Amino acid sequence: DTAVSQTPKYLVTQMGNDKSIKCEQNLGHDTMYWYKQDSKKFLKIMFSYNNKELIINETVPNRFSPKSPDKAHLNLHINSLELGDSAVYFCASSQDQSNTEAFFGQGTRLTVV
Amino acid sequence: AQSVSQHNHHVILSEAASLELGCNYSYGGTVNLFWYVQYPGQHLQLLLKYFSGDPLVKGIKGFEAEFIKSKFSFNLRKPSVQWSDTAEYFCAVLDFSGRKRSNTGKLIFGQGTTLQVKP
Repeated sequence: DTAVSQTPKYLVTQMGNDKSIKCEQNLGHDTMYWYKQDSKKFLKIMFSYNNKELIINETVPNRFSPKSPDKAHLNLHINSLELGDSAVYFCASSQDQSNTEAFFGQGTRLTVV
Repeated sequence: AQSVSQHNHHVILSEAASLELGCNYSYGGTVNLFWYVQYPGQHLQLLLKYFSGDPLVKGIKGFEAEFIKSKFSFNLRKPSVQWSDTAEYFCAVLDFSGRKRSNTGKLIFGQGTTLQVKP
């Protein structure tokens, strides 16, 4: 069983559309994250939730809205997609918010055309 | 806030060569350091981590890293690389600064190093 799973794996969409990426973890962890990996492979944190509560919110356009219906799920909704949103988005989870070991999903490659 | 710098962006080695990838973090005090690996098309996996104790840390697949506090460094090493080590390698530090809750850690990654091992 995959510990942290994301869907879809690939997403190609047009500018202006709204799309969502889903993430689920079956590790029983309290904390989940979204990271963005740009075309230069630089990884940067976007959001973190602990037990459904937002605890990290980096400087991210408010077109990006995370939602955590329960502690095993953290979805990412993106409104009005722009070309610059093209990237690989990684979901991750850790036991708690100290984040002493993060487990990553396989990533979602988003391409905006 | 912490920052992480990886000096080698692209490294090409032949099989059986020794590997050392550089990583420096920005400031001292208590640090938690990590090396992650990303094989082509796969997710990031933890290679090893340092929190305290012996500064020479052994990880999976024959990798090790040495924490040198005076140099703010955490370099990754492997005595003899294999073709299957071809991957992206990321150094990261856990940053607790600027958080409303001081126990909330944020992973700060370096730019990554692409390792290509030729058979």
